[in-house]
Amino acid sequence: DTGVSQDPRHKITKRGQNVTFRCDPISEHNRLYWYRQTLGQGPEFLTYFQNEAQLEKSRLLSDRFSAERPKGSFSTLEIQRTEQGDSAMYLCASSLGHTGETEAFFGQGTRLTVV
Amino acid sequence: KQEVTQIPAALSVPEGENLVLNCSFTDSAIYNLQWFRQDPGKGLTSLLLIQSSQREQTSGRLNASLDKSSGRSTLYIAASQPGDSATYLCAVDSGYALNFGKGTSLLVTP
Repeated sequence: DTGVSQDPRHKITKRGQNVTFRCDPISEHNRLYWYRQTLGQGPEFLTYFQNEAQLEKSRLLSDRFSAERPKGSFSTLEIQRTEQGDSAMYLCASSLGHTGETEAFFGQGTRLTVV
Repeated sequence: KQEVTQIPAALSVPEGENLVLNCSFTDSAIYNLQWFRQDPGKGLTSLLLIQSSQREQTSGRLNASLDKSSGRSTLYIAASQPGDSATYLCAVDSGYALNFGKGTSLLVTP
């Protein structure tokens, strides 16, 4: 297993378009997280899944954002009607069990630029 | 709401120096604290995880300490190398997610 994988690595889109990102966690990890990071800031929590159930969503996750994790494996994050303020690095992480018990491992991120 | 602060925001040192990065957090009720490294435009690499019941963890030239009661952690890097140049992020577990500081940008000059 090569770790957490994210696709694409970079995405440039026009304002108003929809985009979808994919995350493949470490295979035995039951927890999957999405974070957003803007320049000069630390990552901010968006949402997390335990297996296929989405258990927490941040207030940062507006109704234009939706995340899924069918069958508790890979996850997708979709942004509808993108805005320039959505430009950021979107990071996915996975862990085995509760983050209090084990390390969280991050992917390389998807860099979104909305023009 | 858990607030995480990292000081300094940026640091430049000559190769070979030992250095300390600081992290403070406002709510001492944490599960663990994790230090990460981030290279420009890349994802995060986990360096050290300290459970709330632990005082320190070591990995190679890195040593992280945790004082939960005072809301502080330090990351000590011994004998710094140019390859250590990166942003170092501190994150505390608030129950279901990590709360991050803004990071310390480290430059080690040859």
